[in-house]
Amino acid sequence: GNSVTQMEGPVTLSEEAFLTINCTYTATGYPSLFWYVQYPGEGLQLLLKATKADDKGSNKGFEATYRKETTSFHLEKGSVQVSDSAVYFCALSDLNSGGSNYKLTFGKGTLLTVNP
Amino acid sequence: SQTIHQWPATLVQPVGSPLSLECTVEGTSNPNLYWYRQAAGRGLQLLFYSVGIGQISSEVPQNLSASRPQDRQFILSSKKLLLSDSGFYLCAWRRDPSSYEQYFGPGTRLTVT
Repeated sequence: GNSVTQMEGPVTLSEEAFLTINCTYTATGYPSLFWYVQYPGEGLQLLLKATKADDKGSNKGFEATYRKETTSFHLEKGSVQVSDSAVYFCALSDLNSGGSNYKLTFGKGTLLTVNP
Repeated sequence: SQTIHQWPATLVQPVGSPLSLECTVEGTSNPNLYWYRQAAGRGLQLLFYSVGIGQISSEVPQNLSASRPQDRQFILSSKKLLLSDSGFYLCAWRRDPSSYEQYFGPGTRLTVT
């Protein structure tokens, strides 16, 4: 089946450092790709998405490019802030086990801590 | 705008007791609804999804069940909780058939003692 692999971390950075969180996927067909962010004690928020090869999703200074040739969707930010501290999940759209509905398949999440 | 609610926010229940968690969505109709569980390792496990009233699909055999009595209401239940049912339960909805992203509620923290 389809799967998502992301660096598990934890990742600890100083404020204003450059961030990369790697995400690779295995999929049949052409899934849509997503990054979600989860702040402590909260639900997941959609951060950005890309629906086809070479698409770049961006939001709040974060970017990720859908690379079909390398099956990757790495998350980047040029200058992180303390408020970016959270768990980040990479995900892809996937058919459910019965093939009748779409679900999301998630990576295991990467904990990011940004120190002042 | 659309909003998703979950309650209760936190719950502490003894082993063997029943469970009922509720999720409601406002501002949309006929959403696809999903229940996930997030255990201590942070990964998300899809438990159930529903494409309409009374239609429930289970992804993984569980000590849990789900129901959708109304278009925008999704309920997660158990007759007898196990210690292993502890976790963070998240409800999510999908807006329309042409987009695949899901939008999550604030979650319910369940501790089974």
